[in-house]
Amino acid sequence: KAGVTQTPRYLIKTRGQQVTLSCSPISGHRSVSWYQQTPGQGLQFLFEYFSETQRNKGNFPGRFSGRQFSNSRSEMNVSTLELGDSALYLCASTSDPPLYEQYFGPGTRLTVT
Amino acid sequence: LAKTTQPISMDSYEGQEVNITCSHNNIATNDYITWYQQFPSQGPRFIIQGYKTKVTNEVASLFIPADRKSSTLSLPRVSLSDTAVYYCLVGEGSSNTGKLIFGQGTTLQVKP
Repeated sequence: KAGVTQTPRYLIKTRGQQVTLSCSPISGHRSVSWYQQTPGQGLQFLFEYFSETQRNKGNFPGRFSGRQFSNSRSEMNVSTLELGDSALYLCASTSDPPLYEQYFGPGTRLTVT
Repeated sequence: LAKTTQPISMDSYEGQEVNITCSHNNIATNDYITWYQQFPSQGPRFIIQGYKTKVTNEVASLFIPADRKSSTLSLPRVSLSDTAVYYCLVGEGSSNTGKLIFGQGTTLQVKP
């Protein structure tokens, strides 16, 4: 079974631009979560989508948004990029009950200049 | 979600057994305990998950006492490639399973 895939793997953007990251979960997984990882703040939860609906949301500004498609693929968008948005963005898909195992993708390294 | 406390760092030598303990005093009835491993610039990797007593898989063992206020990840005979950050997470085993709160983790350094 293929793992979680994320595209692109690396991205360089300029302050003020917007960016869209893509995630394809493991086949059969309906839950997709997004995380931001920085050296200073560690791994922080952004939001979770389940069957095309946002089920959970972390404490990030409205510039961070996401969506999920009917095939469970998910996209994350960040508008008006700031230097502090430079981070590793991780996507994870969660298996259905009773295991609740979360599998992470390799991440997208975003650099904002 | 229950907060977890674990040591910031640990050192070990190749071939030794490593035990990393995590405290989660406010664990809720529905919470599962999950451990992840992360190498630099990679996503965390699921290691093991448990609810009570002992769970063992091909990689590690997880010991959970009866009160469930702590848990211990046991890595048998570590090698240099086990050098990584290990996270203990406690989350609800119901509708909020996609939301995980990561703490600082434990940086394990395995020496030759």
